Amino acid sequence: DAKTTQPPSMDCAEGRAANLPCNHSTISGNEYVYWYRQIHSQGPQYIIHGLKNNETNEMASLIITEDRKSSTLILPHATLRDTAVYYCIVRVVNAGGTSYGKLTFGQGTILTVHP
Amino acid sequence: NAGVTQTPKFQVLKTGQSMTLQCAQDMNHEYMSWYRQDPGMGLRLIHYSVGAGITDQGEVPNGYNVSRSTTEDFPLRLLSAAPSQTSVYFCASSRLPQETQYFGPGTRLLVL
Repeated sequence: DAKTTQPPSMDCAEGRAANLPCNHSTISGNEYVYWYRQIHSQGPQYIIHGLKNNETNEMASLIITEDRKSSTLILPHATLRDTAVYYCIVRVVNAGGTSYGKLTFGQGTILTVHP
Repeated sequence: NAGVTQTPKFQVLKTGQSMTLQCAQDMNHEYMSWYRQDPGMGLRLIHYSVGAGITDQGEVPNGYNVSRSTTEDFPLRLLSAAPSQTSVYFCASSRLPQETQYFGPGTRLLVL
């Protein structure tokens, strides 16, 4: 799976949009971009994923650049409960191989939302 | 449905003791896996299963055993606990390996 690079920490004011960047310059054509977050002491929570088109769900939006070498997770109206570690993960989604189910978690970005 | 459940939430063991961490899911997911998370680090894959009766090793399998006799359950066994196994353990499941995985709340294990 391709490596990802994220800033170690970011701050955001409550009610404002939080834009979390991720670089994945070695991404392959069959690799999706996934975002998870981990609120303190809890299990990782799935947020969103995409291949090359921008995606939106009830939690967030995912913007993937045209060359797919980077992406941005957008939390449109951050709340204090969004304070968490956010992980950008690139993974193969095609079936086959012994590691295709594995999620490789890096260090992530610690997002702190303040009042 | 309850999603992915894990028991116990917290456990203290002495070196050399054995125990089983329980994981269950009620989503009829074929793929289940176990991760450990050490302080300040990301999650590392211990073992995984692509269906009942099928298991395989992840990147850190030593000291752990798994079995998958039913689709719903995927227990993780520590054969002889060591202080290096002090960690938080997360179980995850998905319908298929390549699909979105959902995590349980974790089991915090302290080995003295």
